[in-house]
Amino acid sequence: ILNVEQSPQSLHVQEGDSTNFTCSFPSSNFYALHWYRWETAKSPEALFVMTLNGDEKKKGRISATLNTKEGYSYLYIKGSQPEDSATYLCALMTTDSWGKLQFGAGTQVVVTP
Amino acid sequence: DAGITQSPRYKITETGRQVTLMCHQTWSHSYMFWYRQDLGHGLRLIYYSAAADITDKGEVPDGYVVSRSKTENFPLTLESATRSQTSVYFCASSESHEQYFGPGTRLTVT
Repeated sequence: ILNVEQSPQSLHVQEGDSTNFTCSFPSSNFYALHWYRWETAKSPEALFVMTLNGDEKKKGRISATLNTKEGYSYLYIKGSQPEDSATYLCALMTTDSWGKLQFGAGTQVVVTP
Repeated sequence: DAGITQSPRYKITETGRQVTLMCHQTWSHSYMFWYRQDLGHGLRLIYYSAAADITDKGEVPDGYVVSRSKTENFPLTLESATRSQTSVYFCASSESHEQYFGPGTRLTVT
Protein backbone atom coordinates (compact mmCIF):
# COMPACT_ATOMS: atom_id res chain seq x y z
CA ILE A 1 0.00 0.00 0.00
CA LEU A 2 1.52 3.31 -1.10
CA ASN A 3 1.54 6.24 1.30
CA VAL A 4 -0.28 9.07 -0.51
CA GLU A 5 -0.89 11.96 1.86
CA GLN A 6 -2.94 15.09 1.39
CA SER A 7 -2.83 18.23 3.51
CA PRO A 8 -4.63 19.93 4.91
CA GLN A 9 -7.56 17.59 5.55
CA SER A 10 -9.96 20.51 5.16
CA LEU A 11 -9.90 24.22 4.59
CA HIS A 12 -12.35 27.08 4.54
CA VAL A 13 -11.89 29.85 1.99
CA GLN A 14 -13.66 33.15 1.51
CA GLU A 15 -15.17 33.70 -1.91
CA GLY A 16 -12.65 35.47 -4.11
CA ASP A 17 -9.60 34.25 -2.19
CA SER A 18 -7.04 31.93 -3.71
CA THR A 19 -5.87 28.77 -2.03
CA ASN A 20 -3.64 25.75 -2.54
CA PHE A 21 -3.07 22.36 -1.00
CA THR A 22 -0.65 19.49 -1.23
CA CYS A 23 -0.40 15.88 -2.24
CA SER A 24 2.77 14.02 -1.26
CA PHE A 25 3.73 10.57 -2.45
CA PRO A 26 6.70 8.19 -2.66
CA SER A 27 8.83 9.22 -5.64
CA SER A 28 10.07 5.75 -6.55
CA ASN A 29 8.47 3.94 -9.51
CA PHE A 30 6.41 7.00 -10.38
CA TYR A 31 4.15 6.73 -13.43
CA ALA A 32 1.34 9.28 -13.05
CA LEU A 33 -0.40 11.52 -10.54
CA HIS A 34 -4.14 12.15 -10.88
CA TRP A 35 -6.31 14.86 -9.37
CA TYR A 36 -10.04 14.30 -8.96
CA ARG A 37 -12.79 16.65 -7.86
CA TRP A 38 -15.54 15.08 -5.76
CA GLU A 39 -18.68 17.04 -4.99
CA THR A 40 -21.00 15.93 -2.22
CA ALA A 41 -23.51 13.28 -3.34
CA LYS A 42 -21.80 12.94 -6.71
CA SER A 43 -19.02 10.80 -8.20
CA PRO A 44 -15.36 11.77 -8.43
CA GLU A 45 -14.46 13.45 -11.72
CA ALA A 46 -10.97 13.67 -13.16
CA LEU A 47 -9.34 17.09 -13.22
CA PHE A 48 -5.78 16.35 -14.30
CA VAL A 49 -3.48 13.47 -15.15
CA MET A 50 0.16 14.46 -14.75
CA THR A 51 3.07 12.32 -15.84
CA LEU A 52 6.19 14.47 -16.26
CA ASN A 53 8.33 16.16 -13.65
CA GLY A 54 7.64 19.89 -13.85
CA ASP A 55 4.23 19.35 -15.44
CA GLU A 56 1.78 22.19 -15.01
CA LYS A 57 -1.88 21.73 -15.90
CA LYS A 58 -4.68 24.28 -15.90
CA LYS A 59 -8.45 24.11 -16.20
CA GLY A 60 -10.17 27.45 -15.75
CA ARG A 61 -9.25 28.79 -12.31
CA ILE A 62 -7.76 25.49 -11.13
CA SER A 63 -4.17 24.52 -11.82
CA ALA A 64 -1.72 21.90 -10.63
CA THR A 65 2.02 21.39 -10.55
CA LEU A 66 4.08 18.23 -10.17
CA ASN A 67 7.50 17.47 -8.70
CA THR A 68 8.24 13.77 -9.14
CA LYS A 69 11.79 13.97 -7.75
CA GLU A 70 10.67 15.17 -4.34
CA GLY A 71 7.26 13.50 -4.50
CA TYR A 72 4.68 16.26 -4.29
CA SER A 73 1.97 18.01 -6.26
CA TYR A 74 0.15 21.25 -5.53
CA LEU A 75 -3.38 22.11 -6.56
CA TYR A 76 -4.23 25.81 -6.80
CA ILE A 77 -7.63 27.47 -6.93
CA LYS A 78 -7.55 31.10 -7.99
CA GLY A 79 -10.40 33.40 -6.96
CA SER A 80 -12.41 30.66 -5.22
CA GLN A 81 -16.13 30.48 -5.92
CA PRO A 82 -18.83 28.60 -3.94
CA GLU A 83 -19.06 26.07 -6.79
CA ASP A 84 -15.44 25.11 -6.08
CA SER A 85 -16.58 23.57 -2.79
CA ALA A 86 -15.71 19.88 -3.03
CA THR A 87 -13.24 17.27 -1.87
CA TYR A 88 -10.14 17.15 -4.03
CA LEU A 89 -8.46 13.75 -4.26
CA CYS A 90 -5.04 12.96 -5.56
CA ALA A 91 -4.13 9.46 -6.68
CA LEU A 92 -0.83 7.83 -7.59
CA MET A 93 -0.12 5.30 -10.30
CA THR A 94 3.27 3.54 -10.23
CA THR A 95 5.15 1.54 -12.84
CA ASP A 96 4.72 -1.66 -10.83
CA SER A 97 0.96 -1.24 -10.38
CA TRP A 98 -0.02 0.11 -13.77
CA GLY A 99 -3.74 0.77 -14.11
CA LYS A 100 -4.34 0.89 -10.37
CA LEU A 101 -4.62 4.11 -8.39
CA GLN A 102 -3.74 4.65 -4.74
CA PHE A 103 -5.90 7.52 -3.50
CA GLY A 104 -5.11 10.01 -0.78
CA ALA A 105 -7.78 10.79 1.82
CA GLY A 106 -8.62 14.11 0.15
CA THR A 107 -8.71 17.80 1.00
CA GLN A 108 -12.21 19.13 1.63
CA VAL A 109 -12.58 22.71 0.43
CA VAL A 110 -15.48 24.87 1.61
CA VAL A 111 -15.89 28.26 -0.07
CA THR A 112 -18.12 30.66 1.78
CA PRO A 113 -19.76 33.71 0.17
CA ASP B 1 -24.62 7.29 -24.05
CA ALA B 2 -25.20 5.67 -20.64
CA GLY B 3 -21.54 5.56 -19.60
CA ILE B 4 -21.16 3.70 -16.35
CA THR B 5 -24.11 2.71 -14.20
CA GLN B 6 -24.52 1.00 -10.85
CA SER B 7 -27.47 -0.80 -9.34
CA PRO B 8 -29.06 -0.69 -6.94
CA ARG B 9 -28.35 2.89 -5.87
CA TYR B 10 -29.46 2.18 -2.31
CA LYS B 11 -29.63 -1.10 -0.45
CA ILE B 12 -30.41 -2.09 3.10
CA THR B 13 -29.62 -5.66 4.08
CA GLU B 14 -29.18 -7.72 7.21
CA THR B 15 -26.02 -9.17 8.65
CA GLY B 16 -25.20 -12.53 7.11
CA ARG B 17 -27.11 -12.02 3.86
CA GLN B 18 -25.51 -12.24 0.45
CA VAL B 19 -25.67 -9.04 -1.58
CA THR B 20 -24.61 -8.34 -5.16
CA LEU B 21 -23.87 -4.88 -6.45
CA MET B 22 -23.95 -4.45 -10.20
CA CYS B 23 -21.75 -2.30 -12.42
CA HIS B 24 -22.19 -1.84 -16.16
CA GLN B 25 -20.19 0.30 -18.61
CA THR B 26 -20.89 1.00 -22.26
CA TRP B 27 -17.42 2.17 -23.34
CA SER B 28 -15.81 -1.28 -23.64
CA HIS B 29 -13.07 -0.13 -21.27
CA SER B 30 -10.59 -2.86 -20.40
CA TYR B 31 -10.14 -1.93 -16.75
CA MET B 32 -12.85 -1.93 -14.11
CA PHE B 33 -12.57 -1.25 -10.39
CA TRP B 34 -14.55 -1.45 -7.19
CA TYR B 35 -13.88 1.04 -4.39
CA ARG B 36 -15.43 1.71 -1.03
CA GLN B 37 -15.62 5.15 0.50
CA ASP B 38 -14.53 5.23 4.12
CA LEU B 39 -14.23 8.26 6.37
CA GLY B 40 -10.62 9.27 6.72
CA HIS B 41 -9.48 6.90 3.99
CA GLY B 42 -10.95 8.39 0.87
CA LEU B 43 -11.43 5.63 -1.70
CA ARG B 44 -10.03 2.19 -1.03
CA LEU B 45 -9.69 -0.38 -3.79
CA ILE B 46 -11.52 -3.66 -3.20
CA TYR B 47 -10.95 -5.51 -6.48
CA TYR B 48 -10.03 -4.65 -10.01
CA SER B 49 -10.10 -6.30 -13.41
CA ALA B 50 -7.76 -5.73 -16.35
CA ALA B 51 -9.99 -7.59 -18.85
CA ALA B 52 -12.76 -10.15 -19.01
CA ASP B 53 -11.93 -13.19 -16.86
CA ILE B 54 -8.96 -11.39 -15.24
CA THR B 55 -9.46 -10.08 -11.71
CA ASP B 56 -7.15 -9.24 -8.83
CA LYS B 57 -7.34 -8.13 -5.23
CA GLY B 58 -6.98 -4.57 -4.13
CA GLU B 59 -6.32 -3.12 -0.70
CA VAL B 60 -9.42 -4.42 1.12
CA PRO B 61 -10.71 -7.61 -0.61
CA ASP B 62 -11.75 -9.70 2.41
CA GLY B 63 -15.45 -10.59 2.42
CA TYR B 64 -15.95 -9.69 -1.24
CA VAL B 65 -16.06 -11.70 -4.45
CA VAL B 66 -16.01 -10.44 -8.03
CA SER B 67 -16.40 -11.88 -11.48
CA ARG B 68 -16.07 -10.53 -15.00
CA SER B 69 -17.46 -12.85 -17.61
CA LYS B 70 -18.24 -9.94 -19.97
CA THR B 71 -16.19 -6.81 -20.58
CA GLU B 72 -19.09 -4.49 -19.76
CA ASN B 73 -20.14 -6.00 -16.41
CA PHE B 74 -18.28 -6.24 -13.11
CA PRO B 75 -20.52 -7.42 -10.24
CA LEU B 76 -19.35 -7.27 -6.63
CA THR B 77 -20.76 -9.81 -4.18
CA LEU B 78 -20.69 -9.62 -0.41
CA GLU B 79 -20.90 -13.28 0.52
CA SER B 80 -22.10 -12.75 4.11
CA ALA B 81 -22.61 -9.08 4.83
CA THR B 82 -21.22 -7.57 8.02
CA ARG B 83 -21.89 -4.17 9.61
CA SER B 84 -18.33 -3.10 8.78
CA GLN B 85 -19.28 -3.35 5.11
CA THR B 86 -21.74 -0.50 5.47
CA SER B 87 -20.33 2.04 3.04
CA VAL B 88 -20.75 3.75 -0.29
CA TYR B 89 -19.40 1.62 -3.11
CA PHE B 90 -18.11 3.11 -6.35
CA CYS B 91 -17.43 1.29 -9.56
CA ALA B 92 -15.04 2.81 -12.09
CA SER B 93 -13.72 1.98 -15.53
CA SER B 94 -10.65 3.02 -17.47
CA GLU B 95 -8.90 2.39 -20.74
CA SER B 96 -5.56 3.95 -19.85
CA HIS B 97 -5.10 6.63 -17.21
CA GLU B 98 -8.25 8.46 -16.29
CA GLN B 99 -10.89 6.54 -14.35
CA TYR B 100 -14.59 7.21 -14.84
CA PHE B 101 -16.77 6.62 -11.83
CA GLY B 102 -20.30 5.38 -11.52
CA PRO B 103 -22.89 7.13 -9.32
CA GLY B 104 -22.26 4.89 -6.32
CA THR B 105 -24.31 2.42 -4.29
CA ARG B 106 -25.07 3.26 -0.68
CA LEU B 107 -25.18 -0.02 1.25
CA THR B 108 -26.36 -0.29 4.83
CA VAL B 109 -25.93 -3.55 6.74
CA THR B 110 -28.13 -3.78 9.82
